[in-house]
Amino acid sequence: GESVGLHLPTLSVQEGDNSIINCAYSNSASDYFIWYKQESGKGPQFIIDIRSNMDKRQGQRVTVLLNKTVKHLSLQIAATQPGDSAVYFCAETRYNFNKFYFGSGTKLNVKP
Amino acid sequence: GAVVSQHPSRVICKSGTSVKIECRSLDFQATTMFWYRQFPKQSLMLMATSNEGSKATYEQGVEKDKFLINHASLTLSTLTVTSAHPEDSSFYICSASISGNYGYTFGSGTRLTVV
Repeated sequence: GESVGLHLPTLSVQEGDNSIINCAYSNSASDYFIWYKQESGKGPQFIIDIRSNMDKRQGQRVTVLLNKTVKHLSLQIAATQPGDSAVYFCAETRYNFNKFYFGSGTKLNVKP
Repeated sequence: GAVVSQHPSRVICKSGTSVKIECRSLDFQATTMFWYRQFPKQSLMLMATSNEGSKATYEQGVEKDKFLINHASLTLSTLTVTSAHPEDSSFYICSASISGNYGYTFGSGTRLTVV
């Protein structure tokens, strides 16, 4: 299957700072990406998505950047809060394909 | 919004027994559901795609005779772990997809412990 990986397994940030979580993917045919947040013992929660015809998409306090040239995407969280502490996964698929393949995850620790 | 319910949330079973996990779409009809497995501190690994009214499609390396999937209605898919062994202990998560949409609604997961 596709291979999606993350650069940093753990990221610690101070409350109020901005966080950047990175993800590399290997399948150049992937054209739809989602960032998920997973709290301990729970299922993944949708954060934001982006299609390959876009380079950037913004949500509430979150921004996803996609660089298709180097097959890299990132999740930026502005003004990180303690409630943002969780494991973050990127997932990729091909449009209308529906099957998602997940990266290895980054644990975000927000220090008060 | 779309809600996916999983049951049970936790189950402990003896080695050699079978366990059934249910995944329900509560407020929408799901033509497709997906089953994932997640080991501690690891990512979600797609196990199979469950299609209403037809056979499930399994990912490479997943034993279809061990992980039986039934998607008999548009709101229910079940995963049965047959002859469970301790190495099957994991967090099992389903997600459901509305036709023409993307499968990004996840259930809350089932923690299976085989003793």
